[in-house]
Amino acid sequence: SQQGEEDPQALSIQEGENATMNCSYKTSINNLQWYRQNSGRGLVHLILIRSNEREKHSGRLRVTLDTSKKSSSLLITASRAADTASYFCATDFNTDKLIFGTGTRLQVFP
Amino acid sequence: DAGVIQSPRHEVTEMGQEVTLRCKPISGHDYLFWYRQTMMRGLELLIYFNNNVPIDDSGMPEDRFSAKMPNASFSTLKIQPSEPRDSAVYFCASSPSGRGDNEQFFGPGTRLTVL
Repeated sequence: SQQGEEDPQALSIQEGENATMNCSYKTSINNLQWYRQNSGRGLVHLILIRSNEREKHSGRLRVTLDTSKKSSSLLITASRAADTASYFCATDFNTDKLIFGTGTRLQVFP
Repeated sequence: DAGVIQSPRHEVTEMGQEVTLRCKPISGHDYLFWYRQTMMRGLELLIYFNNNVPIDDSGMPEDRFSAKMPNASFSTLKIQPSEPRDSAVYFCASSPSGRGDNEQFFGPGTRLTVL
């Protein structure tokens, strides 16, 4: 399957701690994206990183991409209760469509 | 812009009935995607359109599923006849361009329950 695999499947932390989730994929890509999904809602785009980029920042988010290892990580610093959601990586595999990973469920306790 | 609009938000129907899900993409977006999300299978791409033309329907599970995009502002996903295993949340998303270069904007989803 081309689907990205994410780990951990679930993560529980306290407010203020950092949360790191990882995504691995199997074939070459042009871009990798991360999305957030709050319970009962649609997905919301967080950040896009291109295959020639190694790291990207957006506010409290930091994304890294290692194309040699076919993996990416999403770091959320100083987490808040409002960050509680599922997080998905999505890869394009040189096509028009995105293939979404299995997701990481993040729970941030106040 | 109001974002991607989907209707209905919830649908409960009985096995064998026809179900039609509707989507209005963001104006100016050339790509429209239909996804299905379940606990068991995650988020699956069913079909996508570029400029109203179906490009890839390899994710459509079987002939009971069909999708149309008669114009740039409207798309439908139809299931006929519906089965209990079709119960899922169906999302529509639109994007200004392809090649994974742009973010996809998701609608709120339609939660379908087939009894």
